[in-house]
Amino acid sequence: DQQVKQNSPSLSVQEGRISILNCDYTNSMFDYFLWYKKYPAEGPTFLISISSIKDKNEDGRFTVFLNKSAKHLSLHIVPSQPGDSAVYFCAARSYNNNDMRFGAGTRLTVKP
Amino acid sequence: DAGVTQSPTHLIKTRGQQVTLRCSPKSGHDTVSWYQQALGQGPQFIFQYYEEEERQRGNFPDRFSGHQFPNYSSELNVNALLLGDSALYLCASSLTTYEQYFGPGTRLTVT
Repeated sequence: DQQVKQNSPSLSVQEGRISILNCDYTNSMFDYFLWYKKYPAEGPTFLISISSIKDKNEDGRFTVFLNKSAKHLSLHIVPSQPGDSAVYFCAARSYNNNDMRFGAGTRLTVKP
Repeated sequence: DAGVTQSPTHLIKTRGQQVTLRCSPKSGHDTVSWYQQALGQGPQFIFQYYEEEERQRGNFPDRFSGHQFPNYSSELNVNALLLGDSALYLCASSLTTYEQYFGPGTRLTVT
């Protein structure tokens, strides 16, 4: 059962523009959401997270938005840079459950 | 500060064989989780070790087993390998329960 879905396998944007990566989930027990970035031949790197008690969290160029009623979250990268080109995974978990669920990933390409 | 390290980097095994993968957590981390990432998919939780005990297990058969040592390093063992076990195996360590730091992974190919 795929409880976390990233429906866009790939996204291409121009350098300097905004990148928006989307993620949907089905389990209403999830209360913590994370985004990871993965370069080839490396493990996923933690990027940003958000608790279910918030609807927005910012860290520099990265902002995550959470819409609990729609069970949807998104990652905004502004401005996008070529170094942001990577695969981005959305992940979710619930309190006291260590089974973190990942989406299938979205490959972001930022063109110079 | 050394991050999470895994060995070996790549491994080729034959169906029916057994394999052991190793992981050293980030300095100061006491919890190790293992994930399987099949091609084109996100990581899937196998199990988590804390204080040398399996704390939680995902939906994987008993052929997958693990161990955590007193220095917090960990092993993942897979018995009776199947072709479908071919994947990238990721180890992640953490101190809190929420933010996990991943190693580069071990690419296992079963022929």
